[in-house]
Amino acid sequence: KAGVTQTPRYLIKTRGQQVTLSCSPISGHRSVSWYQQTPGQGLQFLFEYFSETQRNKGNFPGRFSGRQFSNSRSEMNVSTLELGDSALYLCASSWGQGTYNSPLHFGNGTRLTVT
Amino acid sequence: QKEVEQNSGPLSVPEGAIASLNCTYSDRGSQSFFWYRQYSGKSPELIMSIYSNGDKEDGRFTAQLNKASQYVSLLIRDSQPSDSATYLCAVNRWGGATNKLIFGTGTLLAVQP
Repeated sequence: KAGVTQTPRYLIKTRGQQVTLSCSPISGHRSVSWYQQTPGQGLQFLFEYFSETQRNKGNFPGRFSGRQFSNSRSEMNVSTLELGDSALYLCASSWGQGTYNSPLHFGNGTRLTVT
Repeated sequence: QKEVEQNSGPLSVPEGAIASLNCTYSDRGSQSFFWYRQYSGKSPELIMSIYSNGDKEDGRFTAQLNKASQYVSLLIRDSQPSDSATYLCAVNRWGGATNKLIFGTGTLLAVQP
């Protein structure tokens, strides 16, 4: 079974630009979550989607947004990029909600560098 | 106080020894607990999940949960150099309505050959 696939693997953008990251979950998984990982803050929750609906959102500014499609694939968008947005963005999928017997499986991440 | 706390390490153990990794959490209502392993430059990989008090064993790994003490640990028996990685403790505070996890900052484990 294929794992969680994230594209692209690496991105270099300049301040003020916007970026879209893509995530394809494990087949059969309906929940997709996004996390930001930085050396200083560790892993921080961005948002979570289940059946095309955003179920939860972390403490990030409105420049960070996402969506989920009917095939469970998800995208996240960051507008007006800032230097501090440089991070590893991780997508994780699970078959259900609540993580009880439905743990998260992470993709390889997208490394975003903002210059 | 951080919601999920781990000693950042590095924790250095000799090959073949038992590595003990610890994690405390602040929300007494937390229901699900996970250990992820992350190699440098790679994504987190799920090692263990535990939901009820006591021990859960899987191969060389044992997770221990004590909800009264708000403490979860991971023991790695017969540690191998390939176990050298950062181990992340993660907690779901909200139960069945969400997959949102709070992560600790991780403990770096170094297994010396």
